[in-house]
Amino acid sequence: TQLLEQSPQFLSIQEGENLTVYCNSSSVFSSLQWYRQEPGEGPVLLVTVVTGGEVKKLKRLTFQFGDARKDSSLHITAAQPGDTGLYLCAGLARENTGNQFYFGTGTSLTVIP
Amino acid sequence: DTEVTQTPKHLVMGMTNKKSLKCEQHMGHRAMYWYKQKAKKPPELMFVYSYEKLSINESVPSRFSPECPNSSLLNLHLHALQPEDSALYLCASSRASVRDPYYNEQFFGPGTRLTVL
Repeated sequence: TQLLEQSPQFLSIQEGENLTVYCNSSSVFSSLQWYRQEPGEGPVLLVTVVTGGEVKKLKRLTFQFGDARKDSSLHITAAQPGDTGLYLCAGLARENTGNQFYFGTGTSLTVIP
Repeated sequence: DTEVTQTPKHLVMGMTNKKSLKCEQHMGHRAMYWYKQKAKKPPELMFVYSYEKLSINESVPSRFSPECPNSSLLNLHLHALQPEDSALYLCASSRASVRDPYYNEQFFGPGTRLTVL
């Protein structure tokens, strides 16, 4: 089983604060995606990281893929209420042959105005 | 166009009913997925179709029956469901090339909220 653990599981912060979400595994992934999901909606793809050590920025969001491609982090600067949602990481296993993605356990973020 | 559409948006059914969920994409993707999701939990993979053939079935009960009529359409037929099957059902698609990891980005539909009475 390709287990992806996210931490923290729940996070409630004030508007303007910074936060980091972690996605960790003992398995190597050829790529990893981050999604944000609002209640009752489907996950929306935020970014894909592929290369070990890669850093990608999307406005106030910074994504990093670990050097060994086993872990990733998402850092949000100056959080806004619109950032509220369920954040999910999903990894594509390196030896994957069946187009199977492994989802992390999820981080529920609430940004209080 | 990175849109995956799902119908219906909401569905309420009794345990003896037969219904179907539909999913459509026009991105030329050749892998399509069904997931089940409970509130504030990650999606759980149910089925994967690759090039219109069922490639993964995650030990899903037979009361869920998937169908892929063509490369753009994916159905999930429901029969004799249980109340615990109530959940958000998500469809996703991706290119089916394992050589290029960017080709395997998944795009999700908005989901069907299913309630079984």
